[in-house]
Amino acid sequence: DTAVSQTPKYLVTQMGNDKSIKCEQNLGHDTMYWYKQDSKKFLKIMFSYNNKELIINETVPNRFSPKSPDKAHLNLHINSLELGDSAVYFCASSHGRGSEQFFGPGTRLTVL
Amino acid sequence: AQTVTQSQPEMSVQEAETVTLSCTYDTSESDYYLFWYKQPPSRQMILVIRQEAYKQQNATENRFSVNFQKAAKSFSLKISDSQLGDAAMYFCASISNFGNEKLTFGTGTRLTIIP
Repeated sequence: DTAVSQTPKYLVTQMGNDKSIKCEQNLGHDTMYWYKQDSKKFLKIMFSYNNKELIINETVPNRFSPKSPDKAHLNLHINSLELGDSAVYFCASSHGRGSEQFFGPGTRLTVL
Repeated sequence: AQTVTQSQPEMSVQEAETVTLSCTYDTSESDYYLFWYKQPPSRQMILVIRQEAYKQQNATENRFSVNFQKAAKSFSLKISDSQLGDAAMYFCASISNFGNEKLTFGTGTRLTIIP
């Protein structure tokens, strides 16, 4: 009965590799998000999709590419990983602007 | 653009006592929403309380209540009868009801509960 799930929960990889994080929500929400939480716990929006359409694309390197195959899924692919990409990445979903955003458990990415 | 400021990086409170976490925000919008999220050591983000800016009445959820001062752009969180399980990072956040659906977070306050 998990509302927003992410896989994997932990990801350790070498610099230069390409990796993906998957996110799925079973809440019937139209909008999904990716956030990055850095080592100082600061949370920042990266991307947002509404009905599979990109509506927010913050200043994120081109190495990060979100993909939404359908309303219930929003995956994050990262090319050529760098040390500075190490962080916790959260997926979230909501019905819309003023609604509560439901967060996934987070994926801790460590780049060595 | 919206900004959210939490001026207390850390707070502590004795168990069963009351604590207030501060949050100020800046926005040019007239219609927006404010939130407090809790992040315990498990790192799960959990909604604590939500306030609609057009509502003057302060939101409450059991032991959690807010003091929403719209003119001062202040949105503090009061936790009454603090419990050990309240220990967490608390994030204040805002989102406009116009434009893109971007939730802007403050830098967080780490709350410690002293037994």
